[in-house]
Amino acid sequence: DTAVSQTPKYLVTQMGNDKSIKCEQNLGHDTMYWYKQDSKKFLKIMFSYNNKELIINETVPNRFSPKSPDKAHLNLHINSLELGDSAVYFCASSQPLGGLTDTQYFGPGTRLTVL
Amino acid sequence: AQSVTQPDIHITVSEGASLELRCNYSYGATPYLFWYVQSPGQGLQLLLKYFSGDTLVQGIKGFEAEFKRSQSSFNLRKPSVHWSDAAEYFCAVGAKDTGRRALTFGSGTRLQVQP
Repeated sequence: DTAVSQTPKYLVTQMGNDKSIKCEQNLGHDTMYWYKQDSKKFLKIMFSYNNKELIINETVPNRFSPKSPDKAHLNLHINSLELGDSAVYFCASSQPLGGLTDTQYFGPGTRLTVL
Repeated sequence: AQSVTQPDIHITVSEGASLELRCNYSYGATPYLFWYVQSPGQGLQLLLKYFSGDTLVQGIKGFEAEFKRSQSSFNLRKPSVHWSDAAEYFCAVGAKDTGRRALTFGSGTRLQVQP
């Protein structure tokens, strides 16, 4: 039983293309996240959704657009891919306790390579 | 703004030796603190967390961590390291407020285990 799953695991594409990464969680959590891990392994929050509502939108180029069709899914669409977008993208979910941060469970990651 | 510092980029220990990975945080109040482990090519797995109460917390795989408010630290320890513990370890802090539920991660410590 995979708690947080992402597809695809690997994504290789050319500059200028548009691509999507999908995330699904079966934990019944209300909040989902996208993090980016760069080549130096540094992890940084990109977006957070709570019950399909955007609650965190860090300084991310507007080529990145998250979409949450329901609270179990949070997809990441990237337009006009650039070399600098190459990274590992992690999806996570949590169930906040009274609005406060709770444990986040991470997916296996999607390694995006832009050529 | 909260921040996390992991002073050691890379640590090498012999199998069977004890281990301590350092983590210092900056946050205005008592934070939520986490340690995650990332094996090569894998996602992040939660080792342990501190929310409140006993400052010595036990985690999976024989790991423990101690929250020291006076030192703003949350160091991870293991009495006897196994070869399978070789991985990247991340300390993270979560804010205790309703506006921001994302985690702020340290830059990670890579653990190498010598036979």
